[in-house]
Amino acid sequence: GENVEQHPSTLSVQEGDSAVIKCTYSDSASNYFPWYKQELGKRPQLIIDIRSNVGEKKDQRIAVTLNKTAKHFSLHITETQPEDSAVYFCAASRTGGFKTIFGAGTRLFVKA
Amino acid sequence: EPEVTQTPSHQVTQMGQEVILRCVPISNHLYFYWYRQILGQKVEFLVSFYNNEISEKSEIFDDQFSVERPDGSNFTLKIRSTKLEDSAMYFCASSETPAPRGYTFGSGTRLTVV
Repeated sequence: GENVEQHPSTLSVQEGDSAVIKCTYSDSASNYFPWYKQELGKRPQLIIDIRSNVGEKKDQRIAVTLNKTAKHFSLHITETQPEDSAVYFCAASRTGGFKTIFGAGTRLFVKA
Repeated sequence: EPEVTQTPSHQVTQMGQEVILRCVPISNHLYFYWYRQILGQKVEFLVSFYNNEISEKSEIFDDQFSVERPDGSNFTLKIRSTKLEDSAMYFCASSETPAPRGYTFGSGTRLTVV
């Protein structure tokens, strides 16, 4: 069945450093890849997304890359700040499907 | 900014009891979803709903679960006979168009089955 693998499960960085979270997906028909940020006790919030006709997308300090051939996609956060500390989920879905498959999450700690 | 609202925020129920979780999707949205998140785990798809019928459901969404849009604004998830393993955060989401797209999630209902 469809699956999204996410690594690492925990990531600790120093404030100002970069953080990279990687995901792989199994369903080759997946064509939409959102990333959600979830702070403790709160709802997941969409922070950036990428569609399969694009290889890279950037929004200020965050960027996503997609390698369709390898079925990999990644989230890059530059100049990390303490408020970036949260759990980040990658996800995948496809045209014609109604569900989104989530990765297991990465707990990011940004140390001041 | 429009929001998806969910009630109650926290529900405690005895095993075997029925619970109804309520959601008010964003008003012009046509596609509705329920997801659940067991504490510390990933977000899991339960069901999607469009045009007054289920469009897709997961293996988790067995005969104990049902969804309904009883009026023009509410979208409910019913669990007929709760089990301990139903304890989780349940998130409602809605979207204007079908997948693939990002969701606006509600703030969630924490269900605790004792």
